[in-house]
Amino acid sequence: DGGITQSPKYLFRKEGQNVTLSCEQNLNHDAMYWYRQDPGQGLRLIYYSQIVNDFQKGDIAEGYSVSREKKESFPLTVTSAQKNPTAFYLCASSRGSTSNYGYTFGSGTRLTVV
Amino acid sequence: AQKVTQAQTEISVVEKEDVTLDCVYETRDTTYYLFWYKQPPSGELVFLIRRNSFDEQNEISGRYSWNFQKSTSSFNFTITASQVVDSAVYFCALGGGYQKVTFGTGTKLQVIP
Repeated sequence: DGGITQSPKYLFRKEGQNVTLSCEQNLNHDAMYWYRQDPGQGLRLIYYSQIVNDFQKGDIAEGYSVSREKKESFPLTVTSAQKNPTAFYLCASSRGSTSNYGYTFGSGTRLTVV
Repeated sequence: AQKVTQAQTEISVVEKEDVTLDCVYETRDTTYYLFWYKQPPSGELVFLIRRNSFDEQNEISGRYSWNFQKSTSSFNFTITASQVVDSAVYFCALGGGYQKVTFGTGTKLQVIP
């Protein structure tokens, strides 16, 4: 079945460490997105990519980095510059470069700083 | 700029009651799409429905129904005879064209047995 796979499901990071969250899709979708969700809050866009080798900052990109070397993959790195990284991270993808069909979401990665 | 407002932060109902989740949107586009997603405790957002701006017909899917009214810029979601499994956070969203999808802040629904 087609879908989005996010790994790991849970991730613990020490202060000062960089960590990378994986997002893989087999839907042949062109665009991919990373969202952050804090407890009791909505979704905030971190980065998005509409085509391979290109990506754009979202509303809260500081302290994060991404790459899009393959259509299927859009990993997110949470750097040590992100001062409050504890959150739930959701990856999504969409058909084409428009938002006419909405997004398909992965099951998320819960990141905790220890 | 697009905006989606879900004024109800949390709702609690007793099982078998009907419940309506409100969604009001703002856009200057004439062609747009509205969505509802369900986020159960597991975390993944599950797509429920997509509606384009030219189709104002109400839709029913089992116990779920959606009322789209352009005159009031609303896209409300009703669950009939609610069940415990309906407990989740529900997001209304607005998209279309090259605009990214804009999400509301979500409504947490708790169905009490």
